[in-house]
Amino acid sequence: EPEVTQTPSHQVTQMGQEVILRCVPISNHLYFYWYRQILGQKVEFLVSFYNNEISEKSEIFDDQFSVERPDGSNFTLKIRSTKLEDSAMYFCASRGQGARFFGPGTRLTVL
Amino acid sequence: QKEVEQNSGPLSVPEGAIASLNCTYSDRGSQSFFWYRQYSGKSPELIMSIYSNGDKEDGRFTAQLNKASQYVSLLIRDSQPSDSATYLCAVKWDTGNQFYFGTGTSLTVIP
Repeated sequence: EPEVTQTPSHQVTQMGQEVILRCVPISNHLYFYWYRQILGQKVEFLVSFYNNEISEKSEIFDDQFSVERPDGSNFTLKIRSTKLEDSAMYFCASRGQGARFFGPGTRLTVL
Repeated sequence: QKEVEQNSGPLSVPEGAIASLNCTYSDRGSQSFFWYRQYSGKSPELIMSIYSNGDKEDGRFTAQLNKASQYVSLLIRDSQPSDSATYLCAVKWDTGNQFYFGTGTSLTVIP
């Protein structure tokens, strides 16, 4: 069964460093998303991406964040200068016609 | 303001019993509703979706939607210890791409 994959599973970085989180969505899906979940809190929407551009973003997705689809399969989330409060699980999701299917997540720890 | 509310629990039921999980939401209008299951440290996993008023059954799971009262519920029949997880309610309003998640209800099925 096709699934969303994400790498790395765990990323540890120093405050102020740049990180890139990678996702491979389900191959025939056209809509891609990033969500985050701070430990013990709700899943929060960051951004949606369709037709090679951002279709919607939340207040969390400020200038420190960017997304790219550099080739036909990968979908990346970049955080330019990480802050302590960026520590969270980051989930990529993709959608065909119906619900979103989530990847296993990347746990980002900012020290 | 779009809000999705769930009782955080924990909810404990004995094995074989029916578990009932509830979710309320603000803001009338056309929506789609989804129930996800999330095991600790894992990503949300889709259980089922419901789009119109009434009941929708899938195996041991039944989703119930009442748009007039602005609630959606999930019933789990013949609960199993493997059903122990956090259950997330998600609502998508047709005015945008965002999923709005509740905080989740923690369910423990006691053998």
